[in-house]
Amino acid sequence: QQQVKQSPQSLIVQKGGISIINCAYENTAFDYFPWYQQFPGKGPALLIAIRPDVSEKKEGRFTISFNKSAKQFSLHIMDSQPGDSATYFCAASNYGGSQGNLIFGKGTKLSVKP
Amino acid sequence: KAGVTQTPRYLIKTRGQQVTLSCSPISGHRSVSWYQQTPGQGLQFLFEYFSETQRNKGNFPGRFSGRQFSNSRSEMNVSTLELGDSALYLCASSWRRQGEQYFGPGTRLTVT
Repeated sequence: QQQVKQSPQSLIVQKGGISIINCAYENTAFDYFPWYQQFPGKGPALLIAIRPDVSEKKEGRFTISFNKSAKQFSLHIMDSQPGDSATYFCAASNYGGSQGNLIFGKGTKLSVKP
Repeated sequence: KAGVTQTPRYLIKTRGQQVTLSCSPISGHRSVSWYQQTPGQGLQFLFEYFSETQRNKGNFPGRFSGRQFSNSRSEMNVSTLELGDSALYLCASSWRRQGEQYFGPGTRLTVT
């Protein structure tokens, strides 16, 4: 019940295309869903996050879509650029239950071809 | 504002030894969490500290321990190192317990 399943494991997209990464969870107590971007040799960087009271959140080229009934959420990267090539992690947490830890998906390695 | 800093960045230890890693959170942040990242298991939660108290602990053996100081800086210790402890150890800070977590660059630990 604590798992967050992320797909695909790897993704190749052409420059200017849309990158879509999906995550699914089981624990309905999760109430905070962030996405992190990690470049080689660096720590994960917070990209965008959503709470379950909204179905979509957009920040620049990055959009989170959230489907509470399906227990799924996804990251869309519009107009993907070679500089977006990195590993992306979805995560979830039960902040309402006074838990401070994030449970991460296994990651998606994105390659954007010029 | 300076980000989360972790020292050392790289460490090579021998099996059976112990190691201490340090984390300085973003100024004003009071919550510090530690994660282990490996290619096989991904990112796994170790423990969380807030106001010098461990608030939450992941599923790791007792060889893994930590503490937090009054200035919110945190250390984690791994005793009796095993080869499987080789990993990137990441520290994340947040201004409150259920807040956005910001990660440091990590400490790359290699156990030989």
